[in-house]
Amino acid sequence: AQKVTQAQTEISVVEKEDVTLDCVYETRDTTYYLFWYKQPPSGELVFLIRRNSFDEQNEISGRYSWNFQKSTSSFNFTITASQVVDSAVYFCALSEALSGANSKLTFGKGITLSVRP
Amino acid sequence: GAGVSQTPSNKVTEKGKYVELRCDPISGHTALYWYRQSLGQGPEFLIYFQGTGAADDSGLPNDRFFAVRPEGSVSTLKIQRTERGDSAVYLCASSPNRGVYTEAFFGQGTRLTVV
Repeated sequence: AQKVTQAQTEISVVEKEDVTLDCVYETRDTTYYLFWYKQPPSGELVFLIRRNSFDEQNEISGRYSWNFQKSTSSFNFTITASQVVDSAVYFCALSEALSGANSKLTFGKGITLSVRP
Repeated sequence: GAGVSQTPSNKVTEKGKYVELRCDPISGHTALYWYRQSLGQGPEFLIYFQGTGAADDSGLPNDRFFAVRPEGSVSTLKIQRTERGDSAVYLCASSPNRGVYTEAFFGQGTRLTVV
């Protein structure tokens, strides 16, 4: 069975601070996909990144970066120089490749990030 | 172009009643998913359609829940004899391709409250 654990429930930072959101996953599959989604107050889930299990390269996109480590089954997300607009709930998710990649996502419980001005 | 549209945005119903929740996917998207998100939790998978057929309905909690997609576009999630525990946000997502990874686009959800 798949499982995604986001141990942090709420994080509060002051604008311009860096913040890291942790994600630990469990799966028996050798091929799988990991995702991060952002859920602002409007409720819509916004896709941020997908990473497949064979690609352990870290990725940077603007102020966002992701650190994937298979050895520790972790896929952590760092926001550099946080901004008030980053305030949202962030979800880490996992899917099995055989299911069609994004057809059946297992989500963590989410981390509520509050960025104060 | 329009994103995934879900109606109604809010629905309040009495325990025991029947409800229908509608999802209009992005035009041309063949894959459609329903998820349920309870308060303070991540979304949980309910059912996945590829075209008109349900490819995976393993997430439906019981036989009170049923979903259809008769023409391969709009989908309706139907809940019979609603219970207070069914209260949640029901999210719909769609994606364009079969078998090849593509991003799933989510709607804003329908907030169902059973009183």
